[in-house]
Amino acid sequence: AVQLVESGGGLVQPKESLKISCAASGFTFSNAAMYWVRQAPGKGLEWVARIRTKPNNYATYYADSVKGRFTISRDDSKSMVYLQMDNLKTEDTAMYYCTYSQGAYWGQGTLVTVSS
Amino acid sequence: DIVMTQTPLSLSVAIGQSASISCKSSQSLKYSDGKTYLNWVFQSPGQSPKRLIYQVSKLDSGVPDRFSGTGSETDFTLKISRVEAEDLGVYYCCQGSYSWTFGGGTKLELK
Repeated sequence: AVQLVESGGGLVQPKESLKISCAASGFTFSNAAMYWVRQAPGKGLEWVARIRTKPNNYATYYADSVKGRFTISRDDSKSMVYLQMDNLKTEDTAMYYCTYSQGAYWGQGTLVTVSS
Repeated sequence: DIVMTQTPLSLSVAIGQSASISCKSSQSLKYSDGKTYLNWVFQSPGQSPKRLIYQVSKLDSGVPDRFSGTGSETDFTLKISRVEAEDLGVYYCCQGSYSWTFGGGTKLELK
């Protein structure tokens, strides 16, 4: 069965950095474009970042709200996808979900709280 | 960037009634491969999102046939016939043709 397990969330202060991870299993990870989607408390879903596969040169794409501050990466040998978040702002507070295959599968999320 | 507009914002229905949610995109979602990557995602309170429908009208595995999706180009509709208690929550349309964008969500509540 497909599993996506996020980890690494926590409480950080504004302008600090945090790296969250997603461990994938149950499918051929190296063939899958991977996404991060977030949901601020009481709000809707917002796509954050996407990373394509090796044949597509691991191309990355970002929402305007995080461009220049967040970096998505992947390690196909470990079936892991990461989101490095720098210069965090209070408005980045959200549950961060890992997903793939046009949203066919989602993890349980990891909560990132940015507060002084 | 493509903007996805959902209506209504909320919908009150009685169990057994039908419900319909509209989603409009700011430009055509028909991709160069001929497919239209318009999905419907459901989120019940406190749970992770779950995809129900992909490519406008294809039901994901295990999704009851009470759910149906229609539409093309820029106008799409999710219909739920015979609403059940487990259907209550928030529905999002989501386009995956050009990057990814979610609609604002429609909350389905019990009347």
